Amino acid sequence: AQSVSQHNHHVILSEAASLELGCNYSYGGTVNLFWYVQYPGQHLQLLLKYFSGDPLVKGIKGFEAEFIKSKFSFNLRKPSVQWSDTAEYFCAVSRYSSASKIIFGSGTRLSIRP
Amino acid sequence: DGGITQSPKYLFRKEGQNVTLSCEQNLNHDAMYWYRQDPGQGLRLIYYSQIVNDFQKGDIAEGYSVSREKKESFPLTVTSAQKNPTAFYLCASSITGQGQGTEAFFGQGTRLTVV
Repeated sequence: AQSVSQHNHHVILSEAASLELGCNYSYGGTVNLFWYVQYPGQHLQLLLKYFSGDPLVKGIKGFEAEFIKSKFSFNLRKPSVQWSDTAEYFCAVSRYSSASKIIFGSGTRLSIRP
Repeated sequence: DGGITQSPKYLFRKEGQNVTLSCEQNLNHDAMYWYRQDPGQGLRLIYYSQIVNDFQKGDIAEGYSVSREKKESFPLTVTSAQKNPTAFYLCASSITGQGQGTEAFFGQGTRLTVV
Protein backbone atom coordinates (compact mmCIF):
# COMPACT_ATOMS: atom_id res chain seq x y z
CA ALA A 1 0.00 0.00 0.00
CA GLN A 2 1.18 3.49 -0.73
CA SER A 3 2.08 5.81 2.12
CA VAL A 4 3.51 9.28 2.61
CA SER A 5 5.92 10.43 5.33
CA GLN A 6 6.48 14.01 6.33
CA HIS A 7 9.45 14.24 8.65
CA ASN A 8 8.79 17.53 10.35
CA HIS A 9 5.67 17.98 12.43
CA HIS A 10 6.28 21.61 13.37
CA VAL A 11 8.79 23.99 11.86
CA ILE A 12 9.45 27.47 13.23
CA LEU A 13 11.33 30.00 11.14
CA SER A 14 12.00 33.71 11.09
CA GLU A 15 10.91 35.83 8.15
CA ALA A 16 13.32 35.70 5.19
CA ALA A 17 14.70 32.31 6.24
CA SER A 18 14.81 29.52 3.67
CA LEU A 19 12.39 26.63 3.91
CA GLU A 20 12.62 22.98 3.05
CA LEU A 21 9.93 20.49 4.08
CA GLY A 22 10.63 16.83 3.58
CA CYS A 23 8.29 14.32 1.96
CA ASN A 24 8.92 10.67 1.12
CA TYR A 25 6.51 8.17 -0.37
CA SER A 26 6.53 4.40 -0.49
CA TYR A 27 5.23 3.35 -3.89
CA GLY A 28 7.57 2.04 -6.56
CA GLY A 29 5.46 2.65 -9.63
CA THR A 30 4.61 5.82 -11.50
CA VAL A 31 3.11 8.41 -9.21
CA ASN A 32 1.50 11.82 -9.15
CA LEU A 33 2.73 14.08 -6.36
CA PHE A 34 1.12 17.08 -4.73
CA TRP A 35 1.70 19.69 -2.07
CA TYR A 36 -1.36 21.27 -0.49
CA VAL A 37 -1.53 24.15 1.97
CA GLN A 38 -4.13 24.91 4.62
CA TYR A 39 -4.04 28.50 5.90
CA PRO A 40 -5.73 29.12 9.26
CA GLY A 41 -9.49 29.01 8.83
CA GLN A 42 -9.31 28.28 5.12
CA HIS A 43 -9.84 25.20 3.01
CA LEU A 44 -7.06 23.09 1.55
CA GLN A 45 -5.64 24.43 -1.68
CA LEU A 46 -3.11 23.12 -4.14
CA LEU A 47 0.39 24.62 -4.01
CA LEU A 48 1.93 22.59 -6.80
CA LYS A 49 1.84 19.20 -8.49
CA TYR A 50 4.10 16.85 -10.41
CA PHE A 51 2.83 14.46 -13.07
CA SER A 52 5.72 14.00 -15.50
CA GLY A 53 8.56 15.87 -17.20
CA ASP A 54 10.82 18.37 -15.44
CA PRO A 55 11.31 17.10 -11.86
CA LEU A 56 11.57 20.65 -10.55
CA VAL A 57 8.08 22.09 -10.37
CA LYS A 58 7.11 25.61 -9.46
CA GLY A 59 3.91 26.49 -7.68
CA ILE A 60 2.11 29.49 -6.34
CA LYS A 61 3.55 32.06 -3.94
CA GLY A 62 7.19 31.28 -4.77
CA PHE A 63 7.10 27.64 -3.71
CA GLU A 64 8.86 24.89 -5.63
CA ALA A 65 9.41 21.18 -5.19
CA GLU A 66 11.85 18.67 -6.60
CA PHE A 67 10.94 15.10 -7.46
CA ILE A 68 13.88 12.74 -6.89
CA LYS A 69 12.74 9.33 -8.07
CA SER A 70 15.75 7.44 -6.70
CA LYS A 71 15.03 8.78 -3.22
CA PHE A 72 11.22 8.56 -3.44
CA SER A 73 11.17 12.18 -2.32
CA PHE A 74 9.27 15.33 -3.20
CA ASN A 75 10.58 18.07 -0.92
CA LEU A 76 9.01 21.50 -0.82
CA ARG A 77 11.21 24.60 -0.85
CA LYS A 78 10.97 28.35 -0.66
CA PRO A 79 14.05 30.60 -0.62
CA SER A 80 12.61 33.29 1.64
CA VAL A 81 9.51 32.79 3.77
CA GLN A 82 7.03 35.44 4.82
CA TRP A 83 4.80 35.71 7.86
CA SER A 84 1.84 34.96 5.56
CA ASP A 85 3.28 31.49 4.87
CA THR A 86 2.18 30.41 8.33
CA ALA A 87 0.00 27.38 7.59
CA GLU A 88 -0.12 23.61 7.56
CA TYR A 89 1.44 21.86 4.58
CA PHE A 90 0.49 18.44 3.30
CA CYS A 91 2.31 16.22 0.86
CA ALA A 92 0.17 13.75 -1.11
CA VAL A 93 0.63 10.98 -3.65
CA SER A 94 -1.54 9.00 -6.01
CA ARG A 95 -0.66 6.10 -8.27
CA TYR A 96 -0.77 6.73 -11.98
CA SER A 97 -3.72 4.56 -12.89
CA SER A 98 -7.23 5.09 -14.08
CA ALA A 99 -8.85 4.66 -10.70
CA SER A 100 -6.54 5.78 -7.97
CA LYS A 101 -6.99 7.37 -4.59
CA ILE A 102 -4.86 10.17 -3.20
CA ILE A 103 -3.02 9.56 0.08
CA PHE A 104 -1.86 12.36 2.34
CA GLY A 105 0.99 12.69 4.79
CA SER A 106 0.51 13.74 8.40
CA GLY A 107 1.24 17.38 7.64
CA THR A 108 3.84 19.94 8.75
CA ARG A 109 2.80 22.99 10.69
CA LEU A 110 4.88 26.01 9.69
CA SER A 111 5.08 28.98 12.03
CA ILE A 112 6.83 32.15 10.89
CA ARG A 113 8.09 34.66 13.43
CA PRO A 114 7.63 38.24 12.21
CA ASP B 1 -19.29 30.26 -8.30
CA GLY B 2 -18.10 26.72 -8.91
CA GLY B 3 -17.00 24.77 -5.92
CA ILE B 4 -17.66 22.26 -3.21
CA THR B 5 -20.15 23.01 -0.47
CA GLN B 6 -20.12 21.18 2.81
CA SER B 7 -22.82 21.71 5.36
CA PRO B 8 -23.14 22.39 8.14
CA LYS B 9 -19.82 23.96 9.17
CA TYR B 10 -20.24 22.84 12.80
CA LEU B 11 -22.30 19.90 13.96
CA PHE B 12 -23.00 18.58 17.44
CA ARG B 13 -24.54 15.20 18.15
CA LYS B 14 -25.14 12.99 21.11
CA GLU B 15 -23.25 9.77 21.41
CA GLY B 16 -25.08 6.85 19.80
CA GLN B 17 -26.82 8.91 17.13
CA ASN B 18 -26.14 8.62 13.43
CA VAL B 19 -25.37 11.87 11.64
CA THR B 20 -25.13 12.72 7.94
CA LEU B 21 -22.70 15.26 6.53
CA SER B 22 -23.59 16.89 3.26
CA CYS B 23 -21.25 17.45 0.31
CA GLU B 24 -22.35 19.02 -2.97
CA GLN B 25 -20.21 20.04 -5.95
CA ASN B 26 -21.08 21.97 -9.09
CA LEU B 27 -17.73 21.39 -10.82
CA ASN B 28 -19.08 18.50 -12.89
CA HIS B 29 -16.40 16.26 -11.38
CA ASP B 30 -16.78 12.50 -11.63
CA ALA B 31 -14.80 11.57 -8.53
CA MET B 32 -15.58 12.52 -4.96
CA TYR B 33 -13.81 11.76 -1.67
CA TRP B 34 -14.27 11.97 2.07
CA TYR B 35 -11.31 12.53 4.39
CA ARG B 36 -11.03 12.82 8.12
CA GLN B 37 -8.50 15.28 9.56
CA ASP B 38 -7.16 14.85 13.10
CA PRO B 39 -4.28 16.83 14.64
CA GLY B 40 -0.93 15.23 13.84
CA GLN B 41 -2.46 12.56 11.60
CA GLY B 42 -3.01 14.45 8.39
CA LEU B 43 -5.91 13.51 6.14
CA ARG B 44 -7.10 9.93 6.16
CA LEU B 45 -9.31 8.61 3.39
CA ILE B 46 -12.71 7.30 4.49
CA TYR B 47 -14.52 6.59 1.21
CA TYR B 48 -14.20 7.58 -2.41
CA SER B 49 -16.36 7.34 -5.49
CA GLN B 50 -15.19 7.42 -9.09
CA ILE B 51 -18.63 7.36 -10.65
CA VAL B 52 -22.32 7.55 -9.75
CA ASN B 53 -23.70 4.49 -7.93
CA ASP B 54 -20.22 3.18 -7.13
CA PHE B 55 -17.86 3.79 -4.22
CA GLN B 56 -14.89 2.16 -2.50
CA LYS B 57 -13.67 2.01 1.06
CA GLY B 58 -10.66 4.02 2.02
CA ASP B 59 -8.25 3.37 4.86
CA ILE B 60 -10.65 4.09 7.75
CA ALA B 61 -14.13 3.18 6.48
CA GLU B 62 -15.33 1.35 9.61
CA GLY B 63 -18.26 3.13 11.22
CA TYR B 64 -19.02 5.24 8.14
CA SER B 65 -21.31 4.85 5.15
CA VAL B 66 -21.82 6.79 1.92
CA SER B 67 -24.08 6.94 -1.11
CA ARG B 68 -23.57 8.35 -4.59
CA GLU B 69 -27.00 8.58 -6.21
CA LYS B 70 -26.21 11.82 -8.05
CA LYS B 71 -23.00 13.06 -9.63
CA GLU B 72 -23.02 16.27 -7.62
CA SER B 73 -23.72 14.78 -4.20
CA PHE B 74 -21.75 12.46 -1.90
CA PRO B 75 -23.19 12.43 1.64
CA LEU B 76 -21.32 10.77 4.49
CA THR B 77 -23.10 9.13 7.41
CA VAL B 78 -21.20 8.76 10.66
CA THR B 79 -22.84 5.86 12.43
CA SER B 80 -22.95 4.97 16.09
CA ALA B 81 -20.42 2.23 15.31
CA GLN B 82 -17.68 4.81 14.76
CA LYS B 83 -15.75 4.72 18.03
CA ASN B 84 -14.20 8.17 17.88
CA PRO B 85 -16.33 10.32 15.57
CA THR B 86 -15.31 13.77 16.82
CA ALA B 87 -13.15 15.18 14.02
CA PHE B 88 -12.90 17.57 11.10
CA TYR B 89 -14.34 16.05 7.91
CA LEU B 90 -13.29 17.17 4.45
CA CYS B 91 -14.99 16.43 1.16
CA ALA B 92 -13.12 16.68 -2.14
CA SER B 93 -13.70 16.12 -5.82
CA SER B 94 -11.63 15.70 -8.97
CA ILE B 95 -12.23 15.44 -12.70
CA THR B 96 -11.64 11.71 -13.00
CA GLY B 97 -9.72 9.13 -11.07
CA GLN B 98 -6.74 10.96 -9.72
CA GLY B 99 -4.34 8.57 -11.34
CA GLN B 100 -4.41 10.63 -14.48
CA GLY B 101 -2.88 13.60 -12.78
CA THR B 102 -5.85 15.63 -11.72
CA GLU B 103 -5.74 17.27 -8.35
CA ALA B 104 -8.48 17.25 -5.74
CA PHE B 105 -10.49 20.33 -4.85
CA PHE B 106 -11.68 20.63 -1.27
CA GLY B 107 -14.66 21.98 0.58
CA GLN B 108 -14.42 24.07 3.74
CA GLY B 109 -15.04 21.09 5.99
CA THR B 110 -17.48 20.11 8.73
CA ARG B 111 -16.36 19.96 12.33
CA LEU B 112 -18.31 17.22 14.08
CA THR B 113 -18.41 17.07 17.86
CA VAL B 114 -20.05 14.13 19.57
CA VAL B 115 -20.91 14.60 23.22
